[in-house]
Amino acid sequence: EIVLTQSPATLSLSPGERATLSCRASQSVSSYLAWYQQKPGQAPRLLIYDASNRATGIPARFSGSGSGTDFTLTISSLEPEDFAIYYCQQRSNWPPITFGQGTRLEIK
Amino acid sequence: QVQLVQSGAEVKKPGASVKVSCKASGYTFTSYYMHWVRQAPGQGLEWMGIINPSGGTTRYAQKFQGRVTMTRDTSTSTVYMELSSLRSEDTAVYYCARGLMGAILPYWGQGTLVTVSS
Repeated sequence: EIVLTQSPATLSLSPGERATLSCRASQSVSSYLAWYQQKPGQAPRLLIYDASNRATGIPARFSGSGSGTDFTLTISSLEPEDFAIYYCQQRSNWPPITFGQGTRLEIK
Repeated sequence: QVQLVQSGAEVKKPGASVKVSCKASGYTFTSYYMHWVRQAPGQGLEWMGIINPSGGTTRYAQKFQGRVTMTRDTSTSTVYMELSSLRSEDTAVYYCARGLMGAILPYWGQGTLVTVSS
């Protein structure tokens, strides 16, 4: 089973700042990595799939990069609604699919 | 538009079983896998398994093998997830999520809270 490790666990930033979230896989997942955003009381929302493809309706301030074992989600300029928990997920070698433990993005 | 509507919250005693439903609409039900993912309070996302609504074939996470059963009813476009021998650690929100290209999850149900308590 592929283990995904996200860092940092918590990221404290202000609106307008740039956010950089990391996800590292225990073995190569090629480009088969997705990112999700989850707000309290809501289901996760797909942001990015296959490392760098924005899902339908996702603003351009969200971007993804990476391949192999190291991936990054970047939010170029934080909006108030972006403060949430972010999860990465791999589909390279499934089943099972696996998720990272999450990064909490909080307002500084 | 794609919609996944799940059944309501449940409270169960340890050792009991729970069956959660997920009714799909807005697309061809048999064309896409359905996944089940759970989230314990304050914790992350945990994949439980998948069902192919076309033939009913299933694959389960090893952790749940022997305790989980996923089924579907093509006449009502509904998938079901039954978890048996419940324990307090199974208290969680259970989500169904429709797959895209197999295991990308763009569509999620609203979640069903299952509480296991004596």
